[in-house]
Amino acid sequence: TQLLEQSPQFLSIQEGENLTVYCNSSSVFSSLQWYRQEPGEGPVLLVTVVTGGEVKKLKRLTFQFGDARKDSSLHITAAQPGDTGLYLCAGVPNAGGTSYGKLTFGQGTILTVHP
Amino acid sequence: DAGVTQSPTHLIKTRGQQVTLRCSPISGHKSVSWYQQVLGQGPQFIFQYYEKEERGRGNFPDRFSARQFPNYSSELNVNALLLGDSALYLCASSLAEGPYGYTFGSGTRLTVV
Repeated sequence: TQLLEQSPQFLSIQEGENLTVYCNSSSVFSSLQWYRQEPGEGPVLLVTVVTGGEVKKLKRLTFQFGDARKDSSLHITAAQPGDTGLYLCAGVPNAGGTSYGKLTFGQGTILTVHP
Repeated sequence: DAGVTQSPTHLIKTRGQQVTLRCSPISGHKSVSWYQQVLGQGPQFIFQYYEKEERGRGNFPDRFSARQFPNYSSELNVNALLLGDSALYLCASSLAEGPYGYTFGSGTRLTVV
């Protein structure tokens, strides 16, 4: 069974601070996705990282995929109250298996950014 | 463009009852997946259907079943409801079989009392 552990579970910071969320596994994933979910809504895809060592930037958000494709991180610079939400990482299994469409999600990080 | 539509949005059922949740994918999307999200947790994979065939099943009891129709819409059925089935049930659709380009619906909030 592939598992993803996310840390921290909760993060409460002031506007303007930087933060990093970690996603770790003992399993190798073909790629990793990061989602943001707001209350009462479904997760919204932020980014997919595919290659080991890959770094992607989305405005103030930086995503990194570990060299061994077992871990990933999300770094937010100068957080704003609008960044508040649940951040989820999700591992994509290798193609060709019986569960190709299955995403394995971490338990999520609840981020609160105070003005 | 209409996104993934799920109905109903909220539902309250009694233990032992049966429930059917519905999902309409984005037009042209042939893959539909179902996830259960318990409060405070990440979503857990239940089923995936692609081209009307079951392509994946998560670690859920046989009380959970699903199907996909010729128009690619899908239903998730849960029999003999337990209190622990209370959760947000999410449907996601994508063009191809793989989990790329997933778009999630807003979910159905099921409360079992």
